[in-house]
Amino acid sequence: DAGITQSPRHKVTETGTPVTLRCHQTENHRYMYWYRQDPGHGLRLIHYSYGVKDTDKGEVSDGYSVSRSKTEDFLLTLESATSSQTSVYFCAISEYPGGGDEQFFGPGTRLTVL
Amino acid sequence: AQSVTQLGSHVSVSEGALVLLRCNYSSSVPPYLFWYVQYPNQGLQLLLKYTSAATLVKGINGFEAEFKKSETSFHLTKPSAHMSDAAEYFCAVSESGANNLFFGTGTRLTVIP
Repeated sequence: DAGITQSPRHKVTETGTPVTLRCHQTENHRYMYWYRQDPGHGLRLIHYSYGVKDTDKGEVSDGYSVSRSKTEDFLLTLESATSSQTSVYFCAISEYPGGGDEQFFGPGTRLTVL
Repeated sequence: AQSVTQLGSHVSVSEGALVLLRCNYSSSVPPYLFWYVQYPNQGLQLLLKYTSAATLVKGINGFEAEFKKSETSFHLTKPSAHMSDAAEYFCAVSESGANNLFFGTGTRLTVIP
C-alpha cells in the first residue's frame, strides 16, 4: 500500500469553526490532491498541488484553502465550516500529473459539521 | 471537457453470476480510463486502467474492462461474482496533460448468496 495517512480520521465540529485536515505521504510523490466524496456525486476535486508551495483549484474549491510547505504534507483548511461541507475527504497522490498515471488514495477523513 | 457516466447506482447479482458495471465517457481527446473499487470505510484502490495499449484490460481480482471507442464505453466485467466483490465501484477519466481525474458517481455492487 502507498504510504498515505490522513488525520484526523473522524471529526465533528460546529458551524463557523475553522478545521484543518492533514495528508501525509512517505512516497515522495510530487502531486497531491484533495477530494470530497458525497452520495450521488462520486469524488470531486477540491484542490491539488504540483509541488511545494504550488497549488491550484479544482472543481469545488469555494470555502477551502490548501497549503503545502513540504513535499510530504498537504493541508486542507475550511476557514469557517458550514453544514454543506459535511463529507468524507480523501487525499490522493501521484508521481506524474493526470494522464495515465494512477492516483493512490488515503483512508479518508469523515467530517461532520453541526 | 471530460466526464463519466455510470449507469445504475446500485447493481445486485447472485454469487457466481456475471458482473457487469457500465461506464460511458466523454472526452475530446483519447482518454485514459480507470476503474477504482472502494470497500466500506476505506479509500479507493485501483482495479485496472486503460492507457491506449490493449483495448481489453485485465485487472486485479478477476476483473476486466474493454475500451470501445465507437461506443465511448469502458464497462467492467467479472465472469463469476464472489461475496468479497461487494463494494462501490468508480469509473474515472483523465486526459494527457490533465492534472486530475474526473470520477463517475459510483455503482454499489451487492452480491446475493
